[in-house]
Amino acid sequence: QSVLTQPPSASGTPGQRVTISCSGRSSNIGSNNVYWYQQLPGTAPKLLIYRSNQRPSGVPDRFSGSKSGTSGSLAISGLRSEDEADYYCAAWDDGLSGVLFGGGTKLTVL
Amino acid sequence: QVQLVESGGGVVQPGRSLRLSCAASGFTFSSYGMYWVRQAPGKGLDWVALIWYDGSNKYYADSVKGRFTISRDNSKNTLYLQMNSLRVEDTAVYFCARKDTVMLSTGSYYHYYGMDVWGQGTTVTVSS
Repeated sequence: QSVLTQPPSASGTPGQRVTISCSGRSSNIGSNNVYWYQQLPGTAPKLLIYRSNQRPSGVPDRFSGSKSGTSGSLAISGLRSEDEADYYCAAWDDGLSGVLFGGGTKLTVL
Repeated sequence: QVQLVESGGGVVQPGRSLRLSCAASGFTFSSYGMYWVRQAPGKGLDWVALIWYDGSNKYYADSVKGRFTISRDNSKNTLYLQMNSLRVEDTAVYFCARKDTVMLSTGSYYHYYGMDVWGQGTTVTVSS
């Protein structure tokens, strides 16, 4: 099953700003919302960004999402050690009639 | 508070069956579509199945189509995943997740395709 394309890894130092990209096609990101999930080791995924750029209550405003054409992006500003986790993007694909996930990006805080 | 609790995982031999359950609480279960998502050891997230809020529509990943069946009992606030003809490659943690849905001012619901609440997962191991 095809996936959305994310970089496998990203890193930054405390206080820095990092961005994680998510590349798709017209049938998924191009015509549907992007969702972002954070998964800490050994835990369930947690919703970070919904409907491409909305942040659930309780998620710090250091996290932001955007979408342009067939790509989505997650930005984390003021990087903190507790941000070290795996990050996944997801979108519905109209052609497949199913959800596609990105392969995940492991964020390391140096 | 909103909560999803999976159960039913375990160790099973290839070719056998298993049924997972997901008990929902803290929200109007019958108004929300529900997902199953799995994660193989050391791997990423993999969508398995989706069921509409009223059970009228069901969608499956190609990898499980014809073997897995998603269902729900709105009177019991419970989601199910019947897994038949299990394979070694079905070994994973299985999560249930709620479909992103918003209640409109008219009292009806608008359904998006994302997942907004996740359970803690239940582990399925397929091994001889």
